[in-house]
Amino acid sequence: KNEVEQSPQNLTAQEGEFITINCSYSVGISALHWLQQHPGGGIVSLFMLSSGKKKHGRLIATINIQEKHSSLHITASHPRDSAVYICAAYNYGGSQGNLIFGKGTKLSVKP
Amino acid sequence: DAGVTQSPTHLIKTRGQQVTLRCSPKSGHDTVSWYQQALGQGPQFIFQYYEEEERQRGNFPDRFSGHQFPNYSSELNVNALLLGDSALYLCASSSGQPNTEAFFGQGTRLTVV
Repeated sequence: KNEVEQSPQNLTAQEGEFITINCSYSVGISALHWLQQHPGGGIVSLFMLSSGKKKHGRLIATINIQEKHSSLHITASHPRDSAVYICAAYNYGGSQGNLIFGKGTKLSVKP
Repeated sequence: DAGVTQSPTHLIKTRGQQVTLRCSPKSGHDTVSWYQQALGQGPQFIFQYYEEEERQRGNFPDRFSGHQFPNYSSELNVNALLLGDSALYLCASSSGQPNTEAFFGQGTRLTVV
């Protein structure tokens, strides 16, 4: 079982829909990172958070440390949001170089 | 600030060959981590370099080796390439302090034929 689990693995939405991607982790973490990866590979950082909630434009990330769970929400989704969204847990001092990655959620937003 | 830069962007090698991938960290960062990402999977940790030494290593064979230079740039070397080494190789840099944000390069797409 992965230490960081994401759901769903694949998600198809219509433009304008509200989208939620979930991330659960089983390790002790110091922070959690939400990343976006477009075809071609490059990874862009969306949020890094250790508590509460962060918002940037149409993106909102929340984390509940007690429940070991984080969510990424996209409001008013757009086809340009189509990408793979990855959550990564900061496990400083752990055996995996600080970051433990989920497998990603592939989002496709249809016009 | 150019951020994290990796070279080359794409590479095709033959089984048994050796390859060297390069990474320049974001300005001010002294820690470089390398990851392998197979198609449809999340990145897997290969190793991390800090102060020119390998600080941590993931579950990768000795064919995977690395180096960090005094200017904090880093190389990933893979010997005796296998078909299964075909993947996107990502470099991430950070400051090495707890909870500092990691920044990623665009990756090098390696294809072994």
